[in-house]
Amino acid sequence: DGGITQSPKYLFRKEGQNVTLSCEQNLNHDAMYWYRQDPGQGLRLIYYSQIVNDFQKGDIAEGYSVSREKKESFPLTVTSAQKNPTAFYLCASSLKHQPQHFGDGTRLSIL
Amino acid sequence: QKEVEQNSGPLSVPEGAIASLNCTYSDRGSQSFFWYRQYSGKSPELIMSIYSNGDKEDGRFTAQLNKASQYVSLLIRDSQPSDSATYLCAVMNAGGTSYGKLTFGQGTILTVHP
Repeated sequence: DGGITQSPKYLFRKEGQNVTLSCEQNLNHDAMYWYRQDPGQGLRLIYYSQIVNDFQKGDIAEGYSVSREKKESFPLTVTSAQKNPTAFYLCASSLKHQPQHFGDGTRLSIL
Repeated sequence: QKEVEQNSGPLSVPEGAIASLNCTYSDRGSQSFFWYRQYSGKSPELIMSIYSNGDKEDGRFTAQLNKASQYVSLLIRDSQPSDSATYLCAVMNAGGTSYGKLTFGQGTILTVHP
């Protein structure tokens, strides 16, 4: 089945720890995106990538890092510099000028 | 002013009624408009896309776009309890070589009661 796979579904971070969220797609989409959603709020863009080996900061990139070494994969690292990481993280992908489609999300909490 | 603003909720309608969800946007260069449905604890799901002024119908859903007024709406006819969800308006300005970033509204919570 074609789609976007995010893992893990739930993740817990200890103080001072970096954690990495996985996002893989087999839709052959060029563009991939990471969003953060806090309770009662809309989606805020963290990073996006339009081609392999290139990515741009979104509106709230501080404390996060990404890589895009393969077209299919766009992992997000939540670093210890992100002081309020508890949120629902959503990965999306799209073709050029087409709507984005989302994975099932990863829920990150602090231990 | 927020870039994409949705009518404040929550919105509650009886089963069988028409639910009306509204969205205004500030970027006049916006070209594409989308409605996503998000059930509690789940990821957003695309339900409607609209690109030109007027109405677009898909089953019980009708999207309406008025670029002059910078306004887009979603009507849900014959509302069902299964329509209870948060509805997100998203706006794209896909100028130039950009793939087109989406800007989302804050969402409107819809509850359809039996």
